Amino acid sequence: SQQGEEDPQALSIQEGENATMNCSYKTSINNLQWYRQNSGRGLVHLILIRSNEREKHSGRLRVTLDTSKKSSSLLITASRAADTASYFCATDASTSYDKVIFGPGTSLSVIP
Amino acid sequence: DVKVTQSSRYLVKRTGEKVFLECVQDMDHENMFWYRQDPGLGLRLIYFSYDVKMKEKGDIPEGYSVSREKKERFSLILESASTNQTSMYLCASRPWGGALDGAEAFFGQGTRLTVV
Repeated sequence: SQQGEEDPQALSIQEGENATMNCSYKTSINNLQWYRQNSGRGLVHLILIRSNEREKHSGRLRVTLDTSKKSSSLLITASRAADTASYFCATDASTSYDKVIFGPGTSLSVIP
Repeated sequence: DVKVTQSSRYLVKRTGEKVFLECVQDMDHENMFWYRQDPGLGLRLIYFSYDVKMKEKGDIPEGYSVSREKKERFSLILESASTNQTSMYLCASRPWGGALDGAEAFFGQGTRLTVV
C-alpha cells in the first residue's frame, strides 16, 4: 500500500540544468516531505510542505503541492554534480499514526 | 548532533540463522521505524513502534519481528533468515505527533544484509 510514487524513475541532466521530479499519492495527507539519499546511505530530510500550502522554497529547492490532483513536484535549480542522489517523497497519511510512507524514488544523475 | 545509529553497516548471515538488527536513537523520540529498501521498490515499512513495548505492522511484516524494551532502542529480528531477505535495512525515528507537526524522520546509515 505505497502512498507516494515518484516520476521519473531515473533522470540524467547536465550540471547547471534544472531537475524536476514528480510525486503522486493516493489518500489524504497532513504533510508531504522530500528526502535525499546519497548512494548506499541513510535518508536526509530536504523540505516539508503542509497540506494547506501550495508552494515552498528552500535555497535551490522549490516544492509544489496540488492536493486536488494528489501530486507534488520537487524542482532543483542550477543543479550540481553533488546533487547526484536518489530523491524520495514521503507522506503523512492523515489517519494512520505517525507513519511515514515513501515512494520508490527518483534517481538523479548530474553530469559535470 | 542528533543521531540514529544502526549496529552494523554490512552483515552476512546464513540461511536459517536468527538475525538481530539493532537501532539506537538519542533524540528521545517516541516513534521508531524499520524499513527495507530494494531497487525499484523504494522504502517499504516493515514495522514501527510508537512507544516502549508497542508495535504496529507495516506493509511487509512477514518473516520479521521487532522488540522495543527501551525507548531509545528498536530491534528488528529475522526469525529464520532467507535469501529473499537480502536487502538494505533502514531504521528511522520521529517524535510523537510528527504527522501533525510535520516533523522530519531521522535515519540511520543503513545495514546491508546479505543472506547466503
